[in-house]
Formats: sequence, structure tokens, C-alpha cells
Amino acid sequence: GDSVTQTEGLVTLTEGLPVMLNCTYQSTYSPFLFWYVQHLNEAPKLLLKSFTDNKRPEHQGFHATLHKSSSSFHLQKSSAQLSDSALYYCALSLITGNTGKLIFGLGTTLQVQP
Amino acid sequence: DMKVTQMPRYLIKRMGENVLLECGQDMSHETMYWYRQDPGLGLQLIYISYDVDSNSEGDIPKGYRVSRKKREHFSLILDSAKTNQTSVYFCASSFSGQGYEQYFGPGTRLTVL
Repeated sequence: GDSVTQTEGLVTLTEGLPVMLNCTYQSTYSPFLFWYVQHLNEAPKLLLKSFTDNKRPEHQGFHATLHKSSSSFHLQKSSAQLSDSALYYCALSLITGNTGKLIFGLGTTLQVQP
Repeated sequence: DMKVTQMPRYLIKRMGENVLLECGQDMSHETMYWYRQDPGLGLQLIYISYDVDSNSEGDIPKGYRVSRKKREHFSLILDSAKTNQTSVYFCASSFSGQGYEQYFGPGTRLTVL
């Protein structure tokens, strides 16, 4: 069935280093992917989403590219900041007829250290 | 300003008491959701509502029920709360366009003693 896998539960890195959080998916139909970010004691909020026209979505220095050949939508940033420390969820849109929902991965906690 | 609200934000109940969590949205979204979030388990879907009086079970519906009598309002009810229902509960809403992109409320932290 449709699913999302985030292989890392925790990623710890030093400020200024590049970030890559992994996300792979299984989808019956053409996929629509999202990244959500959740800072401590806050609600998840949309960080970026895939587009159907192969544009690379970017937001707050983060970007992700949908690779259908490898079923991946990894989140990347060239230089981590302390404020990037948060829980990141990858999500896949599952649409059935005229209804839909998101399938979330288990999440990856990013800890950025000085 | 697009917004999802939740009340209350914090709640402490004793085992066996009834619990009502309320959610509202001002975007006229058809679809609304209830999730619970526990460390290491991510966001677990409890119930989905596709519109007024059109509700479906999610992945973990046992011990919960919902009510949606107005499009902008979605309630989660715990009849006779249990200690293992201690969690953070999030409500979300979405519209059918944009792949069902979801907007989340601020969450309710429920403790059942």
C-alpha cells in the first residue's frame, strides 16, 4: 500500500554544515509530497510541497526534489542554522475519489549544534 | 487570515471522565482531521471528516468518537478517558485542491490521571 519512510529518527549536525533528511515513498498513483516542520511545542506547519511541473520547491533555504525513479523526496539545505532544530515530517497525499488525506512518515528530529 | 483553532490548549482529567476537544477553522475546508502525537510514533490519524455528518475512522479510532454538525467545527470525544489516551491532540483541515495540503491547529495537551 501507499506509505512514507523516513529512515533517520534523529540527525545531529553542526551549524553551517549541509542538511539532508531522507524521505522515500510508495504510491499507487502520481505522487504529491509534502515536508512539514514542527518546532518544539508548536503545531506542524507546511515547509514545502512538490509540484507537478517539475519545479523544485524552496522555502526558508530548504529545497526538495521529487525523483519518481527512486521514489524519493529528500529535504536539503546547504547550511544548517540553529533555528532549523525541529521535527520534520515527510507526507504523501493519498486521494481516493473525491476524498483525501496525508500519510505521514514517523518524522526526523534535526538537532543543530553550535 | 487562515486559521485552525483548538480548545482547550491544556486539559487534565481523571481516568473515567469524559473529554471534549474542540476544533474550528475559518477557511470553509470540507475535510477535517484529528491526530494524536506521541514521541516516536509520529502523527497518528484518529478520525477524518469529509463534511458535515460524514466521518470516517482513521488508523486508531478505538476509544474515540467525533462530531461534525457545522463545516467549520469538529469535535473529538473521549468517553471514559483512559490513562493511555494521555497525548497531544492536533486538529487539521484541508481542501480538495493542492493535494489535500493540511493546516494544523496549535494542539491540545491532554493528561489523563
